[in-house]
Amino acid sequence: QVQLVESGGGLVKPGGSLRLSCAASGFTFSDYDMYWIRQAPGKGLEWISYIYRIGTAIYYADSVEGRFTLSKDNDKKSLNLQMDSLRVEDSAVYFCASGSEVRGVFEYWGQGALVTVSS
Amino acid sequence: DIVMTQSPDSLAVSLGERATINCKSSQSVLATSNNKNNLTWYQHKPGQPPKLLIYWASTRKSGVPDRFSGSGSGTDFTLTITSLQAEDVAVYYCQQFYALPFTFGQGTKLEIK
Repeated sequence: QVQLVESGGGLVKPGGSLRLSCAASGFTFSDYDMYWIRQAPGKGLEWISYIYRIGTAIYYADSVEGRFTLSKDNDKKSLNLQMDSLRVEDSAVYFCASGSEVRGVFEYWGQGALVTVSS
Repeated sequence: DIVMTQSPDSLAVSLGERATINCKSSQSVLATSNNKNNLTWYQHKPGQPPKLLIYWASTRKSGVPDRFSGSGSGTDFTLTITSLQAEDVAVYYCQQFYALPFTFGQGTKLEIK
């Protein structure tokens, strides 16, 4: 069955960096688009990034554009989110999600990784 | 950006009764290329990841109970849960995938009355 396991979350100071990873199994990773969605404490869901199945196109929400970098390693079945210049408002649970045949539909989700940005 | 607005923010329904959640988009999410509405519904329970329930506004994902149904077109959509079960307590989100950035509604918290 499809499994997505995030890692790399933690506590970081404002201005710092973290790298989240998402290990995928149970499906042909190279055939699917992948996404990151986050949920700040007490808030709703926010899509933040999307990478096309073969990595040729990457998109970001304005809130993270220029600070976050998404990459996809189809050989290692891994999705990585490099987060730089972190802000307090980036504190959230970060979910990786796999796509379906339809762009923008988040079919399967990982359990999430908690990122806390605080001094 | 397409703004998604759900109503109500919270809802309490008796077991076995019907729950209705509305979602309105700031512009049409109907794709003329395939005449399908680019809208999904997710269920999010505490401590769990969100779960895809419905896509194309009304297509239930395999394995989702048939008491969940989606309807609507253009800018106005509805998620209906007939005969509410205790395990349906969750926050429900609509989301448009018509255009980037993909956007969610603010969520509707469903509780048992």
